[in-house]
Amino acid sequence: QQQVKQSPQSLIVQKGGISIINCAYENTAFDYFPWYQQFPGKGPALLIAIRPDVSEKKEGRFTISFNKSAKQFSLHIMDSQPGDSATYFCAASNDGGFKTIFGAGTRLFVKA
Amino acid sequence: DTAVSQTPKYLVTQMGNDKSIKCEQNLGHDTMYWYKQDSKKFLKIMFSYNNKELIINETVPNRFSPKSPDKAHLNLHINSLELGDSAVYFCASSRGFNTEAFFGQGTRLTVV
Repeated sequence: QQQVKQSPQSLIVQKGGISIINCAYENTAFDYFPWYQQFPGKGPALLIAIRPDVSEKKEGRFTISFNKSAKQFSLHIMDSQPGDSATYFCAASNDGGFKTIFGAGTRLFVKA
Repeated sequence: DTAVSQTPKYLVTQMGNDKSIKCEQNLGHDTMYWYKQDSKKFLKIMFSYNNKELIINETVPNRFSPKSPDKAHLNLHINSLELGDSAVYFCASSRGFNTEAFFGQGTRLTVV
C-alpha cells in the first residue's frame, strides 16, 4: 500500500518533443506528490509538486497532471531539451507517514 | 552556502570496517532523513528523524546507527561493513514530512 509505481523505466525523446512519465499510488492518505530531478553525481532536487486539491499544476515547461480517482499522476515536459536529460523520480508522502516514498525512477535522454 | 552538506563524498573501505558519514543542514529544518540509492538508482528511505528523535527505522540492519546530536546534524555510523552496503547514501532535510526535501550531494560508499 506504500508503493509508488513509476513508468517507463527509460525514455528517449527528440529535442523539442514531449516527455511523459507516469506514476500510480495506492495509499489514499498521501497528500503531497513531488517530482524530483537528479543529475549524475548529484542529489535529487525538487522540480515541481502538487497537492490533491488541484488536477494540474504548470511551471514553465513542466506540468503535473493529477487524477485523484484513478490514483495516478504524471509529469509532462514540453519542448524537451538535451539539458533535461536526467533521472526523474515521482514521490508521495503524507504528514502522518513520516517519510516520502519514491518511484523507481525514469532515465530520460533527450536527443539533440 | 550549501543547504545540506554531507562528508565524505567518496568512501572506499574494506569489509568488516566501521565507518561514519556526517550530515549537516543550515536550513533550520526539524526533519532529517537518510536514504540509500542502489546501483539501479532506486531511492529507499532508511531513517526519518524529527527534532532529534528517531521516527522511522525502515527495517535497516542494526549495524546502521544514526545519531542526531542536534536538529542540524544527522550522522550515520555503519559497523562491520558488508559488500552489499555499497551504494550512494543521501542525507536530506525538510520542514515537515510532506514538504519539499532538500538532499545532500551524496556519499558513494564502496566496500571491497
